[in-house]
Amino acid sequence: KQEVTQIPAALSVPEGENLVLNCSFTDSAIYNLQWFRQDPGKGLTSLLLIQSSQREQTSGRLNASLDKSSGRSTLYIAASQPGDSATYLCALTGGGNKLTFGTGTQLKVEL
Amino acid sequence: DTEVTQTPKHLVMGMTNKKSLKCEQHMGHRAMYWYKQKAKKPPELMFVYSYEKLSINESVPSRFSPECPNSSLLNLHLHALQPEDSALYLCASSPESFGDEQFFGPGTRLTVL
Repeated sequence: KQEVTQIPAALSVPEGENLVLNCSFTDSAIYNLQWFRQDPGKGLTSLLLIQSSQREQTSGRLNASLDKSSGRSTLYIAASQPGDSATYLCALTGGGNKLTFGTGTQLKVEL
Repeated sequence: DTEVTQTPKHLVMGMTNKKSLKCEQHMGHRAMYWYKQKAKKPPELMFVYSYEKLSINESVPSRFSPECPNSSLLNLHLHALQPEDSALYLCASSPESFGDEQFFGPGTRLTVL
């Protein structure tokens, strides 16, 4: 059974800092991996999707990487802003349409 | 239109009530999903519809009854719920069913008294 873990569970950084969020998974037979952000009480916003054949994807200040052999993905956020404060979730699928979600990292960017 | 909409935003119901949640998308997606999310936990998959047919039911109690009347609309009918069913209910859609990017709606916050 696929298990997805995100460390740390919570993170607080000063504004302007570059940061990395981690996502680890136990089964490397994945089809794709998706990063989401969720504001309190809201739905999920898709940030980046990485196909299993890709190593990384970039969107603005965000860069996500994927290393299937080591069972890891990272989300890099450059020049963090208070508006980046949210919970970040990674989720992956091994094929089919069932997403397995990570445990989430709650990020707070302080002024 | 590039979003998934859900109504209502909030719902309070008693354990004997019958209510429905509605989800709509106009992106031409052929797969639609219901998730349940408890506080500080990741979403849990409940149902998947693919081409308007139920393809996955994650052993959800029968007091939750999904319906997909057409490719743009997904309903979740609720009856005789328990207080522990209180949660954020999220709808999502994807272009096809196999491993595509999923797009989520804003959710319905359900409280069962």
